[in-house]
Amino acid sequence: NAGVTQTPKFQVLKTGQSMTLQCAQDMNHNSMYWYRQDPGMGLRLIYYSASEGTTDKGEVPNGYNVSRLNKREFSLRLESAAPSQTSVYFCASRAEDTKETQYFGPGTRLLVL
Amino acid sequence: AQSVAQPEDQVNVAEGNPLTVKCTYSVSGNPYLFWYVQYPNRGLQFLLKYITGDNLVKGSYGFEAEFNKSQTSFHLKKPSALVSDSALYFCAVRGHVGGKLVFGAGTILRVKS
Repeated sequence: NAGVTQTPKFQVLKTGQSMTLQCAQDMNHNSMYWYRQDPGMGLRLIYYSASEGTTDKGEVPNGYNVSRLNKREFSLRLESAAPSQTSVYFCASRAEDTKETQYFGPGTRLLVL
Repeated sequence: AQSVAQPEDQVNVAEGNPLTVKCTYSVSGNPYLFWYVQYPNRGLQFLLKYITGDNLVKGSYGFEAEFNKSQTSFHLKKPSALVSDSALYFCAVRGHVGGKLVFGAGTILRVKS
């Protein structure tokens, strides 16, 4: 049981390049989330998916797209990276039972030059 | 809209002394409140939550939190701090749609021996 996994762990991009961040969970959770973490700002929600086939915008969706490929996988795509997207990106999934807890992946550190 | 405030950027405490990390919240309706901890270069780990019931919630690693409805606070506490408790702590409140979490900016806890 690996929990939530993310790839890659670290990536350097040039402005204008594109890339996809991968996330997978093996806990059979319906809900999955993408956050970005910036110093002094906590974590901010980019997109979330309440179930397979559905996605919704969070607080800071501009410049990103997501795909809920299946129940396990939820990817985040940067079509044209900008320096403002330099951040640490976390994927999470949530238990729907009374525990309500979100489980986080180890993060992807992205540097856009 | 839900919001969380962590008024202290950093808390310093000596090993063996009690610690408190403060959190206040703003939410319509009954709050679902969480504390997460982040160790360097790691994802967030769930510590504890308040959904309903007793105002004093016990969690992992000897931490507890006290829910105070009148003061809209959910402070994290531990009777005796350890050096290994040094980390970044986040308070979060669950939004009403999609189980989204709204995070505070985080508080760095430094425990010195």
